[in-house]
Amino acid sequence: AQSVSQHNHHVILSEAASLELGCNYSYGGTVNLFWYVQYPGQHLQLLLKYFSGDPLVKGIKGFEAEFIKSKFSFNLRKPSVQWSDTAEYFCAVHQGGYFGNEKLTFGTGTRLTIIP
Amino acid sequence: DAMVIQNPRYQVTQFGKPVTLSCSQTLNHNVMYWYQQKSSQAPKLLFHYYDKDFNNEADTPDNFQSRRPNTSFCFLDIRSPGLGDAAMYLCATSRGTLGGLTEAFFGQGTRLTVV
Repeated sequence: AQSVSQHNHHVILSEAASLELGCNYSYGGTVNLFWYVQYPGQHLQLLLKYFSGDPLVKGIKGFEAEFIKSKFSFNLRKPSVQWSDTAEYFCAVHQGGYFGNEKLTFGTGTRLTIIP
Repeated sequence: DAMVIQNPRYQVTQFGKPVTLSCSQTLNHNVMYWYQQKSSQAPKLLFHYYDKDFNNEADTPDNFQSRRPNTSFCFLDIRSPGLGDAAMYLCATSRGTLGGLTEAFFGQGTRLTVV
């Protein structure tokens, strides 16, 4: 069974600092990769996704992520964070390749707190 | 312009009293999911529908059931809620295709309290 690991449980940064959140997954086949964000009191929203092609993907609000197949990683980055980035961030993986497996597996999440 | 709508946003139920949570979507997606999310934990998939085909996760308790009468609606029934079932319940949809799926769209969730 596939699993997703997010090693940073709580990250605290000052505004304008650079951000990198780690995500590793266990499945060796075809994968679709996602980062979701959950702002306080709101629903999960998609930040960015990787299906194929350029392993460096850009998402909304200045976020980007890099898929490194050899490391089974899909780390999320932002060069300069803002106070409004305070939220919970979830990495998610879909094991692709065939009908009947639409399961999206989430990591445990990273709580990001930005200090003004 | 909510595309995945969950009702109610907050639900309080008594221990052992059946409760139903509802989800509707305007995206015409063929896949609908129910996740359970407890505080500071990852969303945990309970089950999902691919069209009318029901897919139950192996570790989902029998206490949890689901119905999908049509493409737009999906219900989560908890037959006898226990204190441990208090959580946020998330509905999501996606368009399943051969070889994968598109992104999942989430509703705002229903927070269930069991008293």
